Amino acid sequence: AQSVTQLGSHVSVSEGALVLLRCNYSSSVPPYLFWYVQYPNQGLQLLLKYTSAATLVKGINGFEAEFKKSETSFHLTKPSAHMSDAAEYFCAVSSSYNQGGKLIFGQGTELSVKP
Amino acid sequence: GAGVSQTPSNKVTEKGKYVELRCDPISGHTALYWYRQSLGQGPEFLIYFQGTGAADDSGLPNDRFFAVRPEGSVSTLKIQRTERGDSAVYLCASSFTGQGDTQYFGPGTRLTVL
Repeated sequence: AQSVTQLGSHVSVSEGALVLLRCNYSSSVPPYLFWYVQYPNQGLQLLLKYTSAATLVKGINGFEAEFKKSETSFHLTKPSAHMSDAAEYFCAVSSSYNQGGKLIFGQGTELSVKP
Repeated sequence: GAGVSQTPSNKVTEKGKYVELRCDPISGHTALYWYRQSLGQGPEFLIYFQGTGAADDSGLPNDRFFAVRPEGSVSTLKIQRTERGDSAVYLCASSFTGQGDTQYFGPGTRLTVL
């Protein structure tokens, strides 16, 4: 079975500050890992994904995440927050075995950016 | 090109009624997924199609829920005898082949059961 835990349902940072959104996963098989962003009244958009290549993954809008197998973590970071980063962020896991690729999502973290 | 589209964007129905939600995936994508997102929660997997067949329906909550994809493109999620607990946003996603591919999500259908 697979699961995802996102620590902190709400994170608030100042504009220009570091963004750190935490994600820990549980998986009995090698995982694929994803971060999606959801802006208000919009669909989910992929930020980045890990599929067993480089452990440091760079995504869109300056975000990146590092896969740490020993810590079962895939935390999302951005060096300098922008007001436009305010949104809901979801971490998700799927199996790298041939199980169709269904995603198991965390509960989400709402990011607020203060001016 | 066109993304994933879903209709209607909003659906209000009464308890006990039947509803159909439609998903039009990205052209050429063989994999199609349905998820359900309740308020304040992450999306929950419902069903996955590879082509015309339902390859994994383990997320369907009960036999009131059914989905089809008869020609391997458009999919319809059908809910019989709706209950207030079915109120949620129903999301559809498609990907090129499935395993490990990026899933592209539609804007969702917000279902409200009164």
